[in-house]
Amino acid sequence: DAGITQSPRHKVTETGTPVTLRCHQTENHRYMYWYRQDPGHGLRLIHYSYGVKDTDKGEVSDGYSVSRSKTEDFLLTLESATSSQTSVYFCAISESSGAGYEQYFGPGTRLTVT
Amino acid sequence: AQKITQTQPGMFVQEKEAVTLDCTYDTSDQSYGLFWYKQPSSGEMIFLIYQGSYDEQNATEGRYSLNFQKARKSANLVISASQLGDSAMYFCAMRVVPWGAGGTSYGKLTFGQGTILTVHP
Repeated sequence: DAGITQSPRHKVTETGTPVTLRCHQTENHRYMYWYRQDPGHGLRLIHYSYGVKDTDKGEVSDGYSVSRSKTEDFLLTLESATSSQTSVYFCAISESSGAGYEQYFGPGTRLTVT
Repeated sequence: AQKITQTQPGMFVQEKEAVTLDCTYDTSDQSYGLFWYKQPSSGEMIFLIYQGSYDEQNATEGRYSLNFQKARKSANLVISASQLGDSAMYFCAMRVVPWGAGGTSYGKLTFGQGTILTVHP
C-alpha cells in the first residue's frame, strides 16, 4: 500500500471558520492532488502540486488554498468554510504526471460544515 | 475537455458470475490512460487496472479485465467469478496530460459518477 495518510479523518466545523486538512506521503512522489467527492459528481480536482512550493488550481478551487513546503506534506485550507464545502476530501499522489501513471489515494477526510 | 460517462448507477450480480461495468469516454487527446478504481463502503479508493490508449491488448489483473474498444471510446470493466467482497462503488477514470498555467503538466484524473455493484450470495 502507498504510504499516504490524511488528518484529520473526520471533522465537524462551523460556517466561517478556517480549516486545514493535511496529506502526508512517504513515497517521495513529486505530484500531489486534492480532490473532493460529492454524490453525483464523482471526484473533482481542487488543487495540485508538481513540486515543493509549486501548486496550481484545479477545476473547483474557489474557496480553497494549498501549500507544500516539503515534498511529503500537502496542506489544503478552507479559508472560510461554507456548507457547500461539506464533502469527503481525498489526497492523491503520483510518481509522474504522465497518462500511464496511476494515482494512489489517501483514506479520505470527511468534513462537515454546520 | 475530457468526460467519462458511467451509465449504470447500480448493478447486481450473483456470486461466482461475471459482470461488466460500462464506461465511455470522450477526449480529443491521442495519448491517455484509462483507470478503474474500487471504493468499498469503508471509503478508500483502490486502484484496480490500467489501460493505455496505445495498448493493443486488453489489460488484465487477476479477476479484472478491461474491455477496451478504442473506436467506440469504451473501457468496460469485467469482473469474473464475482465475490461478496466485490460489492462496492466502481469508478472509471481517464488521465490525459493537460498543461497548467505554470507551463507544467499535471495529469489530473477525470472521474465518472460511479456504479454501485452489489454481489448477491
